[in-house]
Amino acid sequence: QVKLQQSGAELVKPGASVKLSCKTSGYTFSTSYMSWFKQIPGQSIEWIGMIYAGDGGTGYNQKFKGKATLTVDTSSSTAYMDLSSLTTEDSAVYFCVESFAYWGQGTLVTVSS
Amino acid sequence: DVVMTQTPPSLSVAIGQSVSISCKSSQSLVYSDGKTYLHWLLQSPGQSPKLLIYQVSNLGSGVPDRFSGTGSQKDFTLKISRVEAEDLGVYYCVQATHFPWTFGGGTKLELK
Repeated sequence: QVKLQQSGAELVKPGASVKLSCKTSGYTFSTSYMSWFKQIPGQSIEWIGMIYAGDGGTGYNQKFKGKATLTVDTSSSTAYMDLSSLTTEDSAVYFCVESFAYWGQGTLVTVSS
Repeated sequence: DVVMTQTPPSLSVAIGQSVSISCKSSQSLVYSDGKTYLHWLLQSPGQSPKLLIYQVSNLGSGVPDRFSGTGSQKDFTLKISRVEAEDLGVYYCVQATHFPWTFGGGTKLELK
């Protein structure tokens, strides 16, 4: 069955960067699209962007350009998201998602000094 | 960006009751291929969202037929017939017709 396994919770300092991972199994990763979403606890959900694993082509929500960078490693069927220059406003749960049908369990990122 | 307006923001229901949630978009959600990429998700407490309905009216995998979706263009509705305890949580509509994809503010379904 399809599984998206995300990396564990992160506690990072303001100004730092963090790289989240999403390891997939159960489907053909190399021809799929992976999207990433942000959810501040108690609030709605925002779309960050998406990447096509076939060629690494990306599309971003303008709001997250310069903040998030999406990459993939097709050899390990894993998607990554780098978040840079972190501030307290980046504290949230981040989800990787395939076609809205399959969601990772989420990674909690807490930005605090 | 397309603004998705969900109402009501919360609902208090009894088990067995039927409820409807409205989702209105600021632009038509019909894509150039003729399809409408309006989906409904349920986020149970402490869980990742789950796809209930895709493209307005198609049931997600394993979703009971107590759930149904209707609508067109800019006006959409999710109906839950005979609410069960497992249906409690926050419901979101999301449009994936226009970039950036955008979500409604959510409707919290609670037990009366």
